[in-house]
Order: sequence, then structure tokens, then C-alpha cells
Amino acid sequence: GAGVSQSPRYKVAKRGQDVALRCDPISGHVSLFWYQQALGQGPEFLTYFQNEAQLDKSGLPSDRFFAERPEGSVSTLKIQRTQQEDSAVYLCASSSVARTDTQYFGPGTRLTVL
Amino acid sequence: AQKVTQAQTEISVVEKEDVTLDCVYETRDTTYYLFWYKQPPSGELVFLIRRNSFDEQNEISGRYSWNFQKSTSSFNFTITASQVVDSAVYFCALSEAGNFGNEKLTFGTGTRLTIIP
Repeated sequence: GAGVSQSPRYKVAKRGQDVALRCDPISGHVSLFWYQQALGQGPEFLTYFQNEAQLDKSGLPSDRFFAERPEGSVSTLKIQRTQQEDSAVYLCASSSVARTDTQYFGPGTRLTVL
Repeated sequence: AQKVTQAQTEISVVEKEDVTLDCVYETRDTTYYLFWYKQPPSGELVFLIRRNSFDEQNEISGRYSWNFQKSTSSFNFTITASQVVDSAVYFCALSEAGNFGNEKLTFGTGTRLTIIP
């Protein structure tokens, strides 16, 4: 079956603009994660959904970051008033309902803020 | 808090050589999970292996093998007879069995492996 997909793959934004990044998880996967990967670093956790419920948003760096998954499938990560430090690759992962099951990652969205 | 350390930032070996990537982790939990992911130049993280803290048996999958030692909190990854296609950044990650039903991954900083033809 299809893997995790993300769009757009690349996004260039001017400082101060709002952006929306989309994630389509593997069909039937209950859990969905967002991670941020800065250049040369490992991914860092942002937020976690179980179905439509956002159970953990402890990794969101500021209140400019907002994520939603209204129907328990597709998720959107929104960044308001983008700053240069928001430039990174944003990765989405999904996994089945099993506790600590393997997370499968999408190709990521590379965000560049000018 | 959990932590993963990959001390080797970059490694280069000649094709067909064996190479070992080190991973050391820290956690206070007795139940946890360890992972290795591969990130080729395309950028997508590719799952390689998952081990739980109760299973210390080493695992071999083709040219890949993993050595899990709880006594030293290490989960090292060896590639035998390396190939150019093995060139990538490799990440070790740790997950604790927490209360949310599915726990976040904590990643190391990665090791960039270059296989020289």
C-alpha cells in the first residue's frame, strides 16, 4: 500500500507569512507524529495525535505552531508569522494503534524562510 | 529524560569493508524500544529495525547486524561488506512505553556514512 505522503515537498516563505504543511498517513494508522529536523541534526518531536485527539504537543516551539487532524486521517501543521529559525525539514510519521509500534515516515517538507 | 548519543559524526570506508555505527542511550525506564533509521539523500527516513528492552538477542538481516547490550546501554549497528548504496545518514532512536499509547521518538544526531567505490 501507499506510504506516508507529505505536501508540498518544498516551500519558500517570506518572513512573516503563514504556511500550512499537509500529511497523509498510511491508511488505517491511528497515530500520527510531526517532527522538525534542522540541518545536520536528528528529527525532534513536535506533536502527536491519536485519531483526531492531539495527546501531546509538548514539542511545539511556540504558539505560532499549530497542528490539527480533524477527521483522524489527514493532518495539517500550520506555522503563523514564519521566522528564519523555522527553516527546517518537517517530517510526518504514522503508526498503528499498537503501543510503541514502528513509526513510518513521509518524505518531509523542506521549509525555507527568507 | 531520555537521550541518544551517536558520537561518530561522519565515517568513510572503502567499498566492501565492514563498518560499525555506535549508539549509546540513556533512559530511566525499564521498558523501552530502540530503533535504527536510514536517511538517504532523498531525505525520507527508512525504518531498519526495532528492538525492545527485554530482548537482548543480536539480530542479523542480510549484511546488517545489530548488537544490543543493556550493560553498556548500547545498540550498535554493523554493515558487512559495505556497498555504495549504503551511503546515507543513519539515526539511532529511543522510545519509552509511556502513557499516551504510542510514544515519541528521541533521535541521536546521526552518523553520515560514505562508502567510497
